[in-house]
Amino acid sequence: DGGITQSPKYLFRKEGQNVTLSCEQNLNHDAMYWYRQDPGQGLRLIYYSQIVNDFQKGDIAEGYSVSREKKESFPLTVTSAQKNPTAFYLCASSIPGTALYGYTFGSGTRLTVV
Amino acid sequence: QKEVEQNSGPLSVPEGAIASLNCTYSDRGSQSFFWYRQYSGKSPELIMFIYSNGDKEDGRFTAQLNKASQYVSLLIRDSQPSDSATYLCAVLAGGTSYGKLTFGQGTILTVHP
Repeated sequence: DGGITQSPKYLFRKEGQNVTLSCEQNLNHDAMYWYRQDPGQGLRLIYYSQIVNDFQKGDIAEGYSVSREKKESFPLTVTSAQKNPTAFYLCASSIPGTALYGYTFGSGTRLTVV
Repeated sequence: QKEVEQNSGPLSVPEGAIASLNCTYSDRGSQSFFWYRQYSGKSPELIMFIYSNGDKEDGRFTAQLNKASQYVSLLIRDSQPSDSATYLCAVLAGGTSYGKLTFGQGTILTVHP
């Protein structure tokens, strides 16, 4: 079955450590997105990519980095510069040219600083 | 002013009643509007989308759009306890087919037996 796979489901980060969240899709979608969700704040856009080897900053990109070397993969790195990384991270994708019909979401990664 | 605003609730309705969820948006050029349901600890799932003024019905769900008032709503008829979740309104800005969706903060709905 087609879908978006995020891993790991739970991730613990020590202070000053970089961690990478994986997002893989087999839907043949060109566009992919990373969102962060904090309690009571809805979803906020971190980065998005419309095509391989291209990506754009979203509203809260500071302290994060991404790459898009393959159409199927859009990993997110949470760097030590992100001072409050504890949150629920969601990866999404959309059909080329038809974001009019919304996103498909992965199951999410819950990141906690310890 | 937030781009997409929802009443965070919680909204509590009895089983069998109609639940009414509301959303306003600031960008007059917005072209598509979405309602997602999110259970606690899970990812959002798309319930409905609408892009034309008026009503769109799908089973127990009806989305209503009024672009002049910059207002979109979701009605849930015959509410069930399984409808208890957070409902997220999302808006696609105009002129962006790939587009970033902008989300509201969500409304918590509780349906009590």
